[in-house]
Amino acid sequence: AQTVTQSQPEMSVQEAETVTLSCTYDTSESDYYLFWYKQPPSRQMILVIRQEAYKQQNATENRFSVNFQKAAKSFSLKISDSQLGDAAMYFCAYRSGDTNRDDKIIFGKGTRLHILP
Amino acid sequence: DAMVIQNPRYQVTQFGKPVTLSCSQTLNHNVMYWYQQKSSQAPKLLFHYYDKDFNNEADTPDNFQSRRPNTSFCFLDIRSPGLGDAAMYLCATSRVRGTGGFGEKLFFGSGTQLSVL
Repeated sequence: AQTVTQSQPEMSVQEAETVTLSCTYDTSESDYYLFWYKQPPSRQMILVIRQEAYKQQNATENRFSVNFQKAAKSFSLKISDSQLGDAAMYFCAYRSGDTNRDDKIIFGKGTRLHILP
Repeated sequence: DAMVIQNPRYQVTQFGKPVTLSCSQTLNHNVMYWYQQKSSQAPKLLFHYYDKDFNNEADTPDNFQSRRPNTSFCFLDIRSPGLGDAAMYLCATSRVRGTGGFGEKLFFGSGTQLSVL
């Protein structure tokens, strides 16, 4: 079974600095998707960034980028120029790309990110 | 433009009194999910629909049921809420895997915070 592990329950970063959130996963599949979701205190979950496993190039969305290491099964999120609005719970998530398998999104336990002014 | 709408935002019920939470979507997505999220924890999948095909998670209590009368609407029924069922309930939708682009990401509603007295 697939698992997603986020080893950092909480992190803090100074405003305008860079922070990296870690995520590792375990799977025997070759086709899958990885996501970082952000859940602010208002609680609506929104997608930050996604990565298809078959793509070697790391995904980037403005200040957010990932370091996808497929062999190491690692998928870290880097936030550059941290802003107060980045304070939230961040969830790493996995979705199988095999349409013959159950369609589940598997979430890690989350990392709570604090932004220090 | 709200795409996944959950009502109500807050729901208070009494111990053992049936309660229904609703979710609607304007995205015409095939797949709809219900997640339970307790404070500072990862969302836990309860069940999901692929069109009208219902998929229950093995560890979802019988106390939880769901209905999907049409593509747009999905309901979560808790037959006899216990104190342990107090949580945020998140509805999410998705297109079918493999449809390309951002079809594989989940769109979340704002959630319904359920309190059980």
